[in-house]
Amino acid sequence: EIVMTQSPATLSVSPGERATLSCRASQSVSSNLAWYQQKPGQAPRLLIFGASTRATGFPARFSGSGSGTEFTLTISSLQSEDFALYFCQQYNTWPLTFGGGTKVEIK
Amino acid sequence: EEQLVESGGGLVQPGGSLRLSCAASGFFVSDNYMSWVRQAPGKGLEWVSLIYSGGNTYYADSVKGRFTISRQKSNNTLFLQMNSLGPEDTALYFCARVRGTSYFDLWGRGSLVTVSS
Repeated sequence: EIVMTQSPATLSVSPGERATLSCRASQSVSSNLAWYQQKPGQAPRLLIFGASTRATGFPARFSGSGSGTEFTLTISSLQSEDFALYFCQQYNTWPLTFGGGTKVEIK
Repeated sequence: EEQLVESGGGLVQPGGSLRLSCAASGFFVSDNYMSWVRQAPGKGLEWVSLIYSGGNTYYADSVKGRFTISRQKSNNTLFLQMNSLGPEDTALYFCARVRGTSYFDLWGRGSLVTVSS
């Protein structure tokens, strides 16, 4: 199965700063990559699909990039509501697999 | 509003069984691909099972032969029957709607399953 590795595990960022999250696949997943945001006690929310297409409800400060094995989620200017856990998921090859997550916390 | 609400989790002894339910509102389960995803304590997410709108089902190797995904059109509910449970099945179980070539565009809040004696 394809192993998805996210880094860093925890990212401490001040409000207003830029956050860059990384997701690496053990083999190519083309652009079949999604990102999710999860807050404590809440359902995960689809954030990005197709590596770079933003889902409904998320503002333009969120952007996804990459293809093949290297992907990045960028939050251009962190707002208080953006502090959360972020997961990546590949859907190029079965079984579907997720990364371990990056927690974005307030610095 | 589209929503998924899981129920049926709890504490079960090793070797026991449990059935999770996922009630959908705002859309029809039977018209969509639906899935179960779990998250063990302190771990990442793990895809568990999927059911296509046509009825075909798929399972992760870790649960194949023990878990069964199904749905009931009359009450718009997705199910996960879990048998022969072991401590490794302890997790928060989410149901999710599948889109595209298998990403998840709608999730529930999860139902906690704890397997322990």
